[in-house]
Amino acid sequence: NAGVTQTPKFQVLKTGQSMTLQCAQDMNHNSMYWYRQDPGMGLRLIYYSASEGTTDKGEVPNGYNVSRLNKREFSLRLESAAPSQTSVYFCASSEREGTGKYFGPGTRLTVT
Amino acid sequence: GEDVEQSLFLSVREGDSSVINCTYTDSSSTYLYWYKQEPGAGLQLLTYIFSNMDMKQDQRLTVLLNKKDKHLSLRIADTQTGDSAIYFCAEIGDAGGTSYGKLTFGQGTILTVHP
Repeated sequence: NAGVTQTPKFQVLKTGQSMTLQCAQDMNHNSMYWYRQDPGMGLRLIYYSASEGTTDKGEVPNGYNVSRLNKREFSLRLESAAPSQTSVYFCASSEREGTGKYFGPGTRLTVT
Repeated sequence: GEDVEQSLFLSVREGDSSVINCTYTDSSSTYLYWYKQEPGAGLQLLTYIFSNMDMKQDQRLTVLLNKKDKHLSLRIADTQTGDSAIYFCAEIGDAGGTSYGKLTFGQGTILTVHP
């Protein structure tokens, strides 16, 4: 099992550009999540998908959209990147809520 | 809102025990987690404890939960240099309710293990 995979690992964008971060899991998990990690702030939930076909906002959804493409894949889109979105983005999955979340290796995004 | 606090730094000698502490404010916490993050890597789930337990042991790891004081600790026995990493405490409240997916993380404790 690869677990949770994310692409790309690194990305540099100019302000106003758009991009999609990809995430896939091969553990047959129902729930998937996108977090961002900023220094001194821990991890904050952007969006989550409790099950295939559903998505909901987390703590910091502004400026992002998500798509649960199928049970395996959950993508995060930045329509018009801003410097405040410079962060490390982590995708995670879990069998169901309450069980441990398994995290991907992260995508380091810089917006100039 | 919910808050999770950890001390920022811990330094130990190889072979000693490490104890990383965490306090939280959410009285409806159901699950509490410990994650490890090595430099440049993602978060690795180490262990978790359900809120109706007070202790969980897994090889070198011991988790203690004092629900009354809202205090969680992670003890690593026989700490090795490979244990050097950032350790995050996290909690989740009423699973399935409005806090679904909303793991609240502490800021992380940087554990440095000296030979």
